[in-house]
Amino acid sequence: EPEVTQTPSHQVTQMGQEVILRCVPISNHLYFYWYRQILGQKVEFLVSFYNNEISEKSEIFDDQFSVERPDGSNFTLKIRSTKLEDSAMYFCASSEQRGSYNEQFFGPGTRLTVL
Amino acid sequence: AQRVTQPEKLLSVFKGAPVELKCNYSYSGSPELFWYVQYSRQRLQLLLRHISRESIKGFTADLNKGETSFHLKKPFAQEEDSAMYYCALSVGPGGYQKVTFGTGTKLQVIP
Repeated sequence: EPEVTQTPSHQVTQMGQEVILRCVPISNHLYFYWYRQILGQKVEFLVSFYNNEISEKSEIFDDQFSVERPDGSNFTLKIRSTKLEDSAMYFCASSEQRGSYNEQFFGPGTRLTVL
Repeated sequence: AQRVTQPEKLLSVFKGAPVELKCNYSYSGSPELFWYVQYSRQRLQLLLRHISRESIKGFTADLNKGETSFHLKKPFAQEEDSAMYYCALSVGPGGYQKVTFGTGTKLQVIP
């Protein structure tokens, strides 16, 4: 069964550094998402992406964040200048158009630790 | 703005006992409600959604619009049900959908 994959599984970085988190969505899916989960807190929506554009973003998704689909398979989340509070699990998800409802399939997550 | 509330952080039950994981939501429109489950060291996965009114792994959930609730129930808990359970609400047009999660309830089934 196809799955969403994410790399790396764990990323450690220094405050102020740029990080790129990578995701490979399920191949026939058209909608892509990033979520994050700070330790001990709930999963929070960051951004949705469709047709090479951001469809919606949350207030968390400020100018430090960007997303890109650089080729036909990868979907990346870039944090330009990481802050301590960016430490979290970052989940990628994808879905296909299916009537009025799209089940989102989640990746295993990337744990980002900012020192 | 939409909101999902799961009042219990941890729910411990004995094997064979009934389980009810509570979820309340607030949203002015007609939401789509889901339950996601995350087993230890595994990814988030969809357990069930209110539209389909199905029973998955013995779990059911009924949307009560009057009480704005979507509680997850199972008559007899099994050890393999131990996991984190997240209630979620989805809004958006037919294409992309933004999912708002509750804080999650850890279900611990005691043998």
